[in-house]
Amino acid sequence: AQTVTQSQPEMSVQEAETVTLSCTYDTSESNYYLFWYKQPPSRQMILVIRQEAYKQQNATENRFSVNFQKAAKSFSLKISDSQLGDTAMYFCAFRGSGYALNFGKGTSLLVTP
Amino acid sequence: EPEVTQTPSHQVTQMGQEVILRCVPISNHLYFYWYRQILGQKVEFLVSFYNNEISEKSEIFDDQFSVERPDGSNFTLKIRSTKLEDSAMYFCASTANYGYTFGSGTRLTVV
Repeated sequence: AQTVTQSQPEMSVQEAETVTLSCTYDTSESNYYLFWYKQPPSRQMILVIRQEAYKQQNATENRFSVNFQKAAKSFSLKISDSQLGDTAMYFCAFRGSGYALNFGKGTSLLVTP
Repeated sequence: EPEVTQTPSHQVTQMGQEVILRCVPISNHLYFYWYRQILGQKVEFLVSFYNNEISEKSEIFDDQFSVERPDGSNFTLKIRSTKLEDSAMYFCASTANYGYTFGSGTRLTVV
């Protein structure tokens, strides 16, 4: 079974600064998908960014980018120019050959003025 | 932007009662899912549904749970006899390929 580990339960960053959230996973599969989801206080799950394992190029979505290290099974999220609205729980998720998304326990990010 | 719609947003029920949580997936999506998030914990997979049948389920999805697509648009999760530990946020999701879209969730409180 795949496991997803987020080792930082809580993080804090000042507005306009850059923060990196870490995620590691364990799998024996070679083809899979990785995701970062944001969950604000409203508890809605919002897709931030997605990475296909067969793509070597790191995914980027505006201020959000990932550092995907397939050999190390690492998938970190970098948020540049942090904004107050980025305050939320961030979940890393893995999908392999099955149908299920397997989530990590989350990192609570607080952006301070 | 197409949305996954869930109703109700909050439901309170007595222990032992049956509840039905409703979802309207995005119309051209083919795969539907239910996930659960107990307060303060991670999101957990319950079940996936494709071509009018369950394609995968977790160990959480026991005999008290069932899913149904009663018509061409709705996708429901039924919990037959609710327990206190069923209190959680329940998310519906749908996807056409690997782009999952989640609904806003139903907060279920069992008292």
